[in-house]
Amino acid sequence: AQSVTQPDIHITVSEGASLELRCNYSYGATPYLFWYVQSPGQGLQLLLKYFSGDTLVQGIKGFEAEFKRSQSSFNLRKPSVHWSDAAEYFCAVGARSGGSNYKLTFGKGTLLTVNP
Amino acid sequence: DTAVSQTPKYLVTQMGNDKSIKCEQNLGHDTMYWYKQDSKKFLKIMFSYNNKELIINETVPNRFSPKSPDKAHLNLHINSLELGDSAVYFCASSQGSFGAGYFGPGTRLTVT
Repeated sequence: AQSVTQPDIHITVSEGASLELRCNYSYGATPYLFWYVQSPGQGLQLLLKYFSGDTLVQGIKGFEAEFKRSQSSFNLRKPSVHWSDAAEYFCAVGARSGGSNYKLTFGKGTLLTVNP
Repeated sequence: DTAVSQTPKYLVTQMGNDKSIKCEQNLGHDTMYWYKQDSKKFLKIMFSYNNKELIINETVPNRFSPKSPDKAHLNLHINSLELGDSAVYFCASSQGSFGAGYFGPGTRLTVT
């Protein structure tokens, strides 16, 4: 069965610093990979997704992620963090669930705190 | 324009009651989902519908019954509510059943 590990439960960075959130997945085939962000009391917003092709994926809000098959990783990066980026970040893997249907398995999330 | 909307946003009820949550998407997507987020923020798929057909039905108590009257709507009815049902329930939609794309704002269900 597929699984997602986000090793860092909580990360604190200073505003303007660079950010990397780690995500490792376990899945026997080529996965669909996603990063979502959830602000307090809000729903989830899709930051970016990887289905195939270029392994460096650009997303919204200045985020990017790189798929590394050899490391089973899909780390999220941002060169300069803004205070508004403080939120919970979830990595997810889409795995086949019968026919051409997929279901998402989420990691447990990484809480990002941004210091002024 | 709200892409995926849910009602109600908050739901407080007593054990044993029956309640429903409604979801609508105006994105023209063909697949809709229900996810449950527990108190530790862990998200888990419950159901998925593609063109009104149930395609994913995870290990969920049969007190939970989804209904999709059309492609734009997916409702969740819960019978005999239990304390453990307290959670945030998210509806989501996507074009193609690849897992989820757009999430609704969530419905926070509290069972007392």
